[in-house]
Amino acid sequence: EDKVVQSPLSLVVHEGDTVTLNCSYEVTNFRSLLWYKQEKKAPTFLFMLTSSGIEKKSGRLSSILDKKELSSILNITATQTGDSAIYLCAVERLQGAQKLVFGQGTRLTINP
Amino acid sequence: DVKVTQSSRYLVKRTGEKVFLECVQDMDHENMFWYRQDPGLGLRLIYFSYDVKMKEKGDIPEGYSVSREKKERFSLILESASTNQTSMYLCASSPPGQNEKLFFGSGTQLSVL
Repeated sequence: EDKVVQSPLSLVVHEGDTVTLNCSYEVTNFRSLLWYKQEKKAPTFLFMLTSSGIEKKSGRLSSILDKKELSSILNITATQTGDSAIYLCAVERLQGAQKLVFGQGTRLTINP
Repeated sequence: DVKVTQSSRYLVKRTGEKVFLECVQDMDHENMFWYRQDPGLGLRLIYFSYDVKMKEKGDIPEGYSVSREKKERFSLILESASTNQTSMYLCASSPPGQNEKLFFGSGTQLSVL
């Protein structure tokens, strides 16, 4: 059975800290891994990773995929209270009508 | 901007009621999805559709059905609501093969009493 596991499930840090969120997967016919941020209700797209070792970056957020270890990390540097959200990892399969398999999510809280 | 609109933000229903959750997208996307989100379990796929009148079961279809009569509208139906269907329901749409362009609605928090 395909599985995506995120860790930690919950994280509380102070503003200015750097955080690393983890996502590991066991999925047949891997196509890509995606990260989403969910602040209130609707998750919004952050990154799509298809190639191992190539970092994707957007401001203070960055992410990288390790296909050998079947995992990805999402880094946030110099955190701000606006980074507080649930971060979702999802894996896309090559077959299966583009269905995504989601992890449980990491709830990140940034305290001022 | 893509807009995915879910008809209700909050809904309270009684056990045994028939419940309709509506979702409309305005970007002519072929793919539409219904997920439910529960604490500690993440998003789980209930049903999806890749074309009008086409539907496929996701990972947890039991107790649900769907309808896609028009490209822009995807409805989730709870034939006889039960308390274990209390959850946040998220609708999403995307062009085919482009999950990086998956857009979500704001969700419907359904409580079944």
